[in-house]
Amino acid sequence: EIVLTQSPGTLSLSPGERATLSCRASQSVTSSYLAWYQLKPGQAPRLLIYGASSRATGIPDRFSGSGSGTDFTLTISRLEPEDFAVYYCQQYGSSSWTFGQGTKVEIK
Amino acid sequence: EVQLVESGGGLVQPGGSLRLSCAASGFIFSRYSMNWVRQAPGKGLEWVSYISSSSNIIYYADSVKGRFTISRDDAKHSLYLQMNSLRADDTAVYYCARTIIAVAGSLYYYYMDVWGKGTAVTVSS
Repeated sequence: EIVLTQSPGTLSLSPGERATLSCRASQSVTSSYLAWYQLKPGQAPRLLIYGASSRATGIPDRFSGSGSGTDFTLTISRLEPEDFAVYYCQQYGSSSWTFGQGTKVEIK
Repeated sequence: EVQLVESGGGLVQPGGSLRLSCAASGFIFSRYSMNWVRQAPGKGLEWVSYISSSSNIIYYADSVKGRFTISRDDAKHSLYLQMNSLRADDTAVYYCARTIIAVAGSLYYYYMDVWGKGTAVTVSS
């Protein structure tokens, strides 16, 4: 089973700053199987990025995804107040889905 | 509006059973694969189970295999999760998620594009 490790665990930033979130896989991941989600308390998880770099419908262009192989990145170019949340990477493989442990982006 | 609404959560004793439901609206439910995903208190997201659009392909996480059963009723636009032999570590918010398996050229894409807000399950005596 592929293990996804996200770093850092917590990112403390101010609105307007750039956020760079990392997702590292224990073995190579097919890029088209890699997605990113945003989760806020009491809300439904929200798909941000699929196929490692494609923005989902309605997602602002300040969100971008990149990477391949074992290293993937979610970048938020300029943090808006509503972007403070927990972010998860996810991959599909071998008849199962796995998630990273999450990165919390908090207000500094 | 595309929407998923989970229900059926609650407090149950260890060893007990619970059946979760997920009502879909705003899209043609029968055309989509579906997943259940959970989040234990203070923990991250954990995939639980998958069912294909035709119900002929079903997967389970090792942690629930043999105890949980996923099913769907397309006539009722609903997804279900029958949970038996519940344990304390099954305590979580359970989400249903519409799942996209798409082909573009030679590439397959797998992701969950619509989620419900979840239903809470607490396993405790």
